[in-house]
Amino acid sequence: ETVLTQSPEFQSVTPKEKVTITCRASQNIGNSLHWYQQKPHQSPKVLIKYASQSFSGVPSRFSGSGSGTDFTLTINSLEAEDAATYYCHQSSTLPRTFGQGTKLEIK
Amino acid sequence: EVQLLESGGGMVQPGGSLRLSCAASGFTFSSYPMNWVRQAPGKGLEWVSLISGSGSSKYYADSVKGRFTISRDNSKNTLYLQTNSLRAEDTAVYYCAKGDSSDYWGQGTLVTVSS
Repeated sequence: ETVLTQSPEFQSVTPKEKVTITCRASQNIGNSLHWYQQKPHQSPKVLIKYASQSFSGVPSRFSGSGSGTDFTLTINSLEAEDAATYYCHQSSTLPRTFGQGTKLEIK
Repeated sequence: EVQLLESGGGMVQPGGSLRLSCAASGFTFSSYPMNWVRQAPGKGLEWVSLISGSGSSKYYADSVKGRFTISRDNSKNTLYLQTNSLRAEDTAVYYCAKGDSSDYWGQGTLVTVSS
C-alpha cells in the first residue's frame, strides 16, 4: 500500500501569506497525485490533478508541483475563504490512498 | 455540468445491508472509472472501491473486501455500492467520485450502523 504523509497536519496562517503543504509517498507514484479542498459540511473539491494540472474554476493562487515521491501544494496570497482541510490522493497503485489531511486555520 | 447524486443511506443495525446509488449526469458515464470514498464522522477520507468504465474490473479496500460489492449500469448512468454485514466502523458519509483523479464528487449519503 502506498502511504501518503502530509505535513503539516495543522497550520494557522494570516491572509496574504504563502502556504506550502507537502505530501510524501512511500513509493514512486509518478505524477498520479491529486489535491482536494474540503470545507466543513461540504464534499471535497479537486484543486490540482496529476501533480501540477490546474482544474477549471480553481483560483490561480493554487498550484502544485512534484513527481515520484515528493509533492507540494502551494497557495499564494491566502484568502479567508481558503480555511479548509486539504488532502492529497494517489491513483497510481491499489489500494488508492489519501493523506491524513492538513487543516488550515485563518488567523 | 457534471452532477453526481448519491442516495440510499440511512440507519441500519449491525449485520444489516444497504444499497447505495450514485446517479451521474453531464458526462459520458461509461467512459470513466468511478470510485466510492467514505468519511467517518470527524475523520479523513478513505477510499472504498473502484470500478472500470465497462464494469469488468473492480477493486476494494481490505476493510470492505468480501462485504461490499461495486457495480454500475451504464444504460442508466448509475453507480452502485451494495454494503452487507455492516459494522459500526462502516458508519460514514459515502461519496461517489468520477474518474481516476476523482475530479467531481457527489454530496454524499450518510450510513449509520448502530443498534
